Amino acid sequence: EDQVTQSPEALRLQEGESSSLNCSYTVSGLRGLFWYRQDPGKGPEFLFTLYSAGEEKEKERLKATLTKKESFLHITAPKPEDSATYLCAVQAGGDKIIFGKGTRLHILP
Amino acid sequence: NAGVTQTPKFQVLKTGQSMTLQCAQDMNHNSMYWYRQDPGMGLRLIYYSASEGTTDKGEVPNGYNVSRLNKREFSLRLESAAPSQTSVYFCAIPLGTAGSVNGELFFGEGSRLTVL
Repeated sequence: EDQVTQSPEALRLQEGESSSLNCSYTVSGLRGLFWYRQDPGKGPEFLFTLYSAGEEKEKERLKATLTKKESFLHITAPKPEDSATYLCAVQAGGDKIIFGKGTRLHILP
Repeated sequence: NAGVTQTPKFQVLKTGQSMTLQCAQDMNHNSMYWYRQDPGMGLRLIYYSASEGTTDKGEVPNGYNVSRLNKREFSLRLESAAPSQTSVYFCAIPLGTAGSVNGELFFGEGSRLTVL
């Protein structure tokens, strides 16, 4: 059965304090791994797609990486506006997209 | 959110009542998805549709029915609502073109359902 596990559940950082969020997955035949950002009261917003181990994607202070078993979302020198819930999702065979439970990130000024 | 329209945005039901959540897209995509989101549970897939006239069960389909009668609309029906179905429901469609991975999803604003 396809599974996505994210850790930690919640993370509080000081502004400028870099860290990483983890997404581990168990799927047969990964077609893509996806990162989303979700602000309170809003729908998730797509950030990155990673297709194969070793791939990296960057956007501003965020960098996503992928291995054969997990993905990391690295946040460098975060700002308070980076506070949000970050969700990881996977697509295996077919059209089914499964999400993890997310990491709630809070950046303190 | 332009592209995906969900109605209603808010609804309060009594246990045992029925209702239908509507999702309409104007992005002409084959695939459409229904998710529910509960505190601390992330997004859980209820049903999805790869094309007009086809539907498939997701992770938590019990208590729900869906209908994809045309390419534009994908409805989610609760036949006999239960308090456990209190949740925020999101409809989503892929951002990419047909044949690309579907996981780059564009979400509607959500429908907030409370069952008393």
